[in-house]
Amino acid sequence: EAQVTQNPRYLITVTGKKLTVTCSQNMNHEYMSWYRQDPGLGLRQIYYSMNVEVTDKGDVPEGYKVSRKEKRNFPLILESPSPNQTSLYFCASSLTGGGENEQFFGPGTRLTVL
Amino acid sequence: EDQVTQSPEALRLQEGESSSLNCSYTVSGLRGLFWYRQDPGKGPEFLFTLYSAGEEKEKERLKATLTKKESFLHITAPKPEDSATYLCATQGGSEKLVFGKGTKLTVNP
Repeated sequence: EAQVTQNPRYLITVTGKKLTVTCSQNMNHEYMSWYRQDPGLGLRQIYYSMNVEVTDKGDVPEGYKVSRKEKRNFPLILESPSPNQTSLYFCASSLTGGGENEQFFGPGTRLTVL
Repeated sequence: EDQVTQSPEALRLQEGESSSLNCSYTVSGLRGLFWYRQDPGKGPEFLFTLYSAGEEKEKERLKATLTKKESFLHITAPKPEDSATYLCATQGGSEKLVFGKGTKLTVNP
């Protein structure tokens, strides 16, 4: 089944404790992206990747890191999480960038930083 | 800066009562306008992509249209299972996808 998977689905952590949220897709997509969704603010793009070893900032990259060492995986790293990073996070992928292809979204990771 | 504004924020309809959702956009070099459906606690689910003014696409009770400044999502004779939040997004000259805040649709039986 074609899908985007994220782990963990739920995470409660404390300020400053480094964490990684994994994202994997099995569709051989080139483009992958991370979003956060907050009430009243909608979905905002954190980082995106056009292909392996190619990443760029979205609208809200502060406090986050990403890497794309393999085509199927795009982990999101919070090196020193803070309470303002409490949010619902979505990973997405599409065949290519450029607007020609729709993005497929993962099920989401609900993160709480205390 | 690219902007996407959706209205209304929330819409309540009776089953069978047709209506439209609006997505106004300002984007440099539109390469695609997307509509997604999102159910509570789940990831957005793709509905349509529109590329140029005048284009229309349909899927069951949904029809999306595009002008140079707006897109509409028309819902004909909605059913309770159409209740969801509908998101509009644009992709312009950059590789970034910009989302609106969504319209929460509730269809009462």
